[in-house]
Amino acid sequence: GDSVTQMEGPVTLSEEAFLTINCTYTATGYPSLFWYVQYPGEGLQLLLKATKADDKGSNKGFEATYRKETTSFHLEKGSVQVSDSAVYFCALPNNAGNMLTFGGGTRLMVKP
Amino acid sequence: NAGVTQTPKFRVLKTGQSMTLLCAQDMNHEYMYWYRQDPGMGLRLIHYSVGEGTTAKGEVPDGYNVSRLKKQNFLLGLESAAPSQTSVYFCASSYYPGEGYEQYFGPGTRLTVT
Repeated sequence: GDSVTQMEGPVTLSEEAFLTINCTYTATGYPSLFWYVQYPGEGLQLLLKATKADDKGSNKGFEATYRKETTSFHLEKGSVQVSDSAVYFCALPNNAGNMLTFGGGTRLMVKP
Repeated sequence: NAGVTQTPKFRVLKTGQSMTLLCAQDMNHEYMYWYRQDPGMGLRLIHYSVGEGTTAKGEVPDGYNVSRLKKQNFLLGLESAAPSQTSVYFCASSYYPGEGYEQYFGPGTRLTVT
């Protein structure tokens, strides 16, 4: 079945450091791919998405490129801020499109 | 536009007690979902609904029941709570499950079963 694997956290960085959070997936076909973010004490919210291979999703300085050859959708940001401290989830829909499969989440902690 | 709301925000139950969690959305979404979030395990789908009057099982449905009597509301029930149901519960909704669709999440309900 469809699955998502994320790098385990926590990831601890200093402010202005470069961020990469790895995400790989297994799926039939080429589904849309998502990154969701969960700030402390809140629900998840969509950070960015890509709907087809080679697409790049971007938002709030974060980027992720849909790589079908490596079945990956790694999240990157060039210069993180303390306010980026959160848990990040990679996700993809199942074949029927009626539910999302989430990775285990990666906690990011940014220190000033 | 409140989006997705959940009540209550916190609840403590004793083993064997029952309760109902309420989720409401004002975006006219067809699909609604209940997830649980446990440390280190990400989100797991409990039940979902593809429209008013319908429900379906997700990944971890045992011990829970749901109802969708109105399009805007999705209720999650625990008939006899167990300590293993201590978790944070999130409701979500989406307009259409097509490619590229987004799920909108509520703020969560933290449930402790003692």
